[in-house]
Amino acid sequence: DADVTQTPRNRITKTGKRIMLECSQTKGHDRMYWYRQDPGLGLQLIYYSFDVKDINKGEISDGYSVSRQAQAKFSLSLESAIPNQTALYFCATSDPGGGETQYFGPGTRLLVL
Amino acid sequence: GENVEQHPSTLSVQEGDSAVIKCTYSDSASNYFPWYKQELGKRPQLIIDIRSNVGEKKDQRIAVTLNKTAKHFSLHITETQPEDSAVYFCAASMGAAGNKLTFGGGTRVLVKP
Repeated sequence: DADVTQTPRNRITKTGKRIMLECSQTKGHDRMYWYRQDPGLGLQLIYYSFDVKDINKGEISDGYSVSRQAQAKFSLSLESAIPNQTALYFCATSDPGGGETQYFGPGTRLLVL
Repeated sequence: GENVEQHPSTLSVQEGDSAVIKCTYSDSASNYFPWYKQELGKRPQLIIDIRSNVGEKKDQRIAVTLNKTAKHFSLHITETQPEDSAVYFCAASMGAAGNKLTFGGGTRVLVKP
């Protein structure tokens, strides 16, 4: 869905580095989410935001932080990256007024060396 | 919190046969159950969903059934085709009031021609 974009699409970083993954959407949705996907595993919720002033921890928030800069932007930061944070990261949006479907971005593949 | 288990983790079927994926959930307050399909290298996309006031829903070759008493729901794909090969995820949530999806671990479906 081109309405939800993520940058970068691929990133290689070293242990201990701080990195930021960005998500932008033009769908006008209030709700945004960050998920992590590991090989052979499902999608695990890291953080979610129901509006600009609302930030909530998900299942696996340790080692991550987020910032909701605007309705359209939701960034995920790894303060000090570690190898077991190597994964595929997805951003998603939803609009409770228009149903409960979550629309996913294309994903960011992160490798921490 | 909610816990969703999904079986099997892999499923191989002959083209034209049916495929069935089963999920169980733990929180009786959950009332929204979507299914997402993720093709190789792509983002997850919603294919069908069901709410707790409905026992079955069909959309062409796919159907979902829900048993609230037993807290399980299933995805049925009939007349499978090679393009049905993908990873399928079930999820559960308490609907718009708390639209935080908990995903199952995924089922990798391979349709053999």
